[in-house]
Amino acid sequence: GDSVTQMEGPVTLSEEAFLTINCTYTATGYPSLFWYVQYPGEGLQLLLKATKADDKGSNKGFEATYRKETTSFHLEKGSVQVSDSAVYFCARRGNDYKLSFGAGTTVTVRA
Amino acid sequence: KAGVTQTPRYLIKTRGQQVTLSCSPISGHRSVSWYQQTPGQGLQFLFEYFSETQRNKGNFPGRFSGRQFSNSRSEMNVSTLELGDSALYLCASSQQTRSDEKLFFGSGTQLSVL
Repeated sequence: GDSVTQMEGPVTLSEEAFLTINCTYTATGYPSLFWYVQYPGEGLQLLLKATKADDKGSNKGFEATYRKETTSFHLEKGSVQVSDSAVYFCARRGNDYKLSFGAGTTVTVRA
Repeated sequence: KAGVTQTPRYLIKTRGQQVTLSCSPISGHRSVSWYQQTPGQGLQFLFEYFSETQRNKGNFPGRFSGRQFSNSRSEMNVSTLELGDSALYLCASSQQTRSDEKLFFGSGTQLSVL
């Protein structure tokens, strides 16, 4: 079935470090791709999305590019802050509207 | 606009019991989906309802069921609870007219089965 494979965590970084979280997806059909974030004690919220090949989603300094040739949607941020500490989920949704999530990556940023 | 509301926030049950969780979507949203979140399995899709009809279903046993009412509110029921059902159950809503729409998530119901 449709699935998403995401880099295992946890990831611990220092402030201002570069963050990359790898994500690959099954290429059945033409899925939309998402990154959701779950801050401590809060529900999931959309961080960014991309709907077709070569689209770049961006928000709060985070970016991810929809790469059809490598079936990837890696999340990047050039300079992380303590407030970026959260669990990050990569997700795909095809035309059946079913949203499949990756396992989640816990990111901790130290001051 | 009020967000997605899930009740109750916490539940403690014992094995063999059944439980009903409630989700009120954002006004105007017709799709409600449910997810189970556990440390070991991550986020697993349970099912999705759209205009009172189950449109998608995940790979969970028949003990897990749901329904959606005409006002789009949804309930999820788990019968004959097992220890492994302990999890955070998340509900999400959207208008669901396009596959690239974002989902709005509630804060979840934390279920503990003793």
